[in-house]
Amino acid sequence: DGGITQSPKYLFRKEGQNVTLSCEQNLNHDAMYWYRQDPGQGLRLIYYSQIVNDFQKGDIAEGYSVSREKKESFPLTVTSAQKNPTAFYLCASTPTNSPLHFGNGTRLTVT
Amino acid sequence: AQSVTQLGSHVSVSEGALVLLRCNYSSSVPPYLFWYVQYPNQGLQLLLKYTSAATLVKGINGFEAEFKKSETSFHLTKPSAHMSDAAEYFCAVIIRNSGNTPLVFGKGTRLSVIA
Repeated sequence: DGGITQSPKYLFRKEGQNVTLSCEQNLNHDAMYWYRQDPGQGLRLIYYSQIVNDFQKGDIAEGYSVSREKKESFPLTVTSAQKNPTAFYLCASTPTNSPLHFGNGTRLTVT
Repeated sequence: AQSVTQLGSHVSVSEGALVLLRCNYSSSVPPYLFWYVQYPNQGLQLLLKYTSAATLVKGINGFEAEFKKSETSFHLTKPSAHMSDAAEYFCAVIIRNSGNTPLVFGKGTRLSVIA
């Protein structure tokens, strides 16, 4: 079955460490997105990529980095510069002019 | 720029009662509108979408929404709530034919269903 796979589902890190969240899709979608979800704040856009080797900052890109070397993969790195990294991270993808398909998320806890 | 406002961060209804979740949008050009549902610790699933065809849109699980341009609203309804409807619901907006410009989401409304 086609879909979006985010791994791992739960991730624990010590403060000051960088951590990379994986997002893979086999839907042949062009565009991919990373959102951060915090209680009561809805979904906030971190980064998005409309084609391979290109990506744009979203509303809260500071402290995050991404790459898009392959169409099916869009990993997100949470760097030590991100002041409040503990959150639920959602990856999504879409073909042009269609609704988003979401992965099941990664819950990151930094202590 | 587009935006959505979801009135009420938490709505509680009795099983069998009407569900009404409110969404108002702001957009300078005609929008596409979406409702998504999220169950705990999962991603979002598309419930329904408005893309300029019929103003009354039917979605999955018995939900529907009506696009009202004069009120800039896209409220989500279901005639009879079921326990399995308990989840968080998000309204989202995008400009029509804007390619893959990101959706803008509301802050969400958590629906509780009381037996």
